Amino acid sequence: DTEVTQTPKHLVMGMTNKKSLKCEQHMGHRAMYWYKQKAKKPPELMFVYSYEKLSINESVPSRFSPECPNSSLLNLHLHALQPEDSALYLCASSQELGSRIRSYNEQFFGPGTRLTVL
Amino acid sequence: GESVGLHLPTLSVQEGDNSIINCAYSNSASDYFIWYKQESGKGPQFIIDIRSNMDKRQGQRVTVLLNKTVKHLSLQIAATQPGDSAVYFCAENNAGNMLTFGGGTRLMVKP
Repeated sequence: DTEVTQTPKHLVMGMTNKKSLKCEQHMGHRAMYWYKQKAKKPPELMFVYSYEKLSINESVPSRFSPECPNSSLLNLHLHALQPEDSALYLCASSQELGSRIRSYNEQFFGPGTRLTVL
Repeated sequence: GESVGLHLPTLSVQEGDNSIINCAYSNSASDYFIWYKQESGKGPQFIIDIRSNMDKRQGQRVTVLLNKTVKHLSLQIAATQPGDSAVYFCAENNAGNMLTFGGGTRLMVKP
């Protein structure tokens, strides 16, 4: 299984709602990532988990809260979002965090969740 | 700041022709680059990568060229097919496997 799955595919929420995005992989990867992609723009890194621990937070507002319950699952909890948070949210995984010395690990991307905040 | 960028936002080619997508980078310390393809409604898909100790790498119908002197990267697609229509991103792999994506080029293949 070389697939990263994401649910839901589409999500519409109000600014007072609480929702969660889910990501799953069964490739035995130990690094997982959340990206945000606005229309006609490249993906921007939000969070990185390595061995279920948060490794990088790219100064993301606290209304986005990541969670890695186990090595196969990655969640993104959403609360009090703004309309400008509407975007495609992409999850990715890699075997582990690479380095120039050790190796570079290909990141496998899921199809994304299209989020609309009203 | 350092950035990875693309010259052309849209490239339109005839089916069967070769396509060349370009990317400029500014971080001279970059030593690993990746090309991703993103089709509508899908996540980015790895196409090919290259390390800075190489200047050319070939895959199936795709070739990546790296010119470190002018900090330029290109993706060549041979015999372009309708299924190649997508947005193509170059990405720079930083320390710790962090990706910085370029702006993207939309490839449109005319039948």
